[in-house]
Amino acid sequence: GQNIDQPTEMTATEGAIVQINCTYQTSGFNGLFWYQQHAGEAPTFLSYNVLDGLEEKGRFSSFLSRSKGYSYLLLKELQMKDSASYLCAVVDSNYQLIWGAGTKLIIKP
Amino acid sequence: GAVVSQHPSRVICKSGTSVKIECRSLDFQATTMFWYRQFPKQSLMLMATSNEGSKATYEQGVEKDKFLINHASLTLSTLTVTSAHPEDSSFYICSATGRAYEQYFGPGTRLTVT
Repeated sequence: GQNIDQPTEMTATEGAIVQINCTYQTSGFNGLFWYQQHAGEAPTFLSYNVLDGLEEKGRFSSFLSRSKGYSYLLLKELQMKDSASYLCAVVDSNYQLIWGAGTKLIIKP
Repeated sequence: GAVVSQHPSRVICKSGTSVKIECRSLDFQATTMFWYRQFPKQSLMLMATSNEGSKATYEQGVEKDKFLINHASLTLSTLTVTSAHPEDSSFYICSATGRAYEQYFGPGTRLTVT
């Protein structure tokens, strides 16, 4: 079957750095997305990786290793507004989006 | 950027009535639209995938006769919750894809069935 694993919850301190991991086993691979979702709101796009390596976008970076079936989202200089759920999703061989359950990130002052 | 709208944003209805939720892609043609449901503190659950002009593909466990999906054009999909019950109260979110695989999400519709 297809499976996306990410931690259920993480806690970090304001101003620090946090890394949210995502591992996947899917039938084929056509890219990996990270989305941010604040409570009571719809998800918003953060990043898309289809090739191995690190993609940096401001305070957020996303890394992909296709051979390991692994990705991480790195958040730097954490702010209170970064408290949200972070969803990892993989595009499989049928171009279907397979969703992880999300990681709830709690930022403490 | 691509914008997806949903209407209404909130709706309260009585048990046994039907509710229609609209999802529109405002500045692009959506080849595929997705309908999700999200219960409090839980992850997104895909309900169905719809392509313009064809029948929706429902996920296992989702009743197609209860959740009617119509994707009449490349910019509009509707979800009708028929004979709603309190357990249908949830956050319903649509998303749309254009030429790439990225899903653009609507703002969601919070349904409360009393």
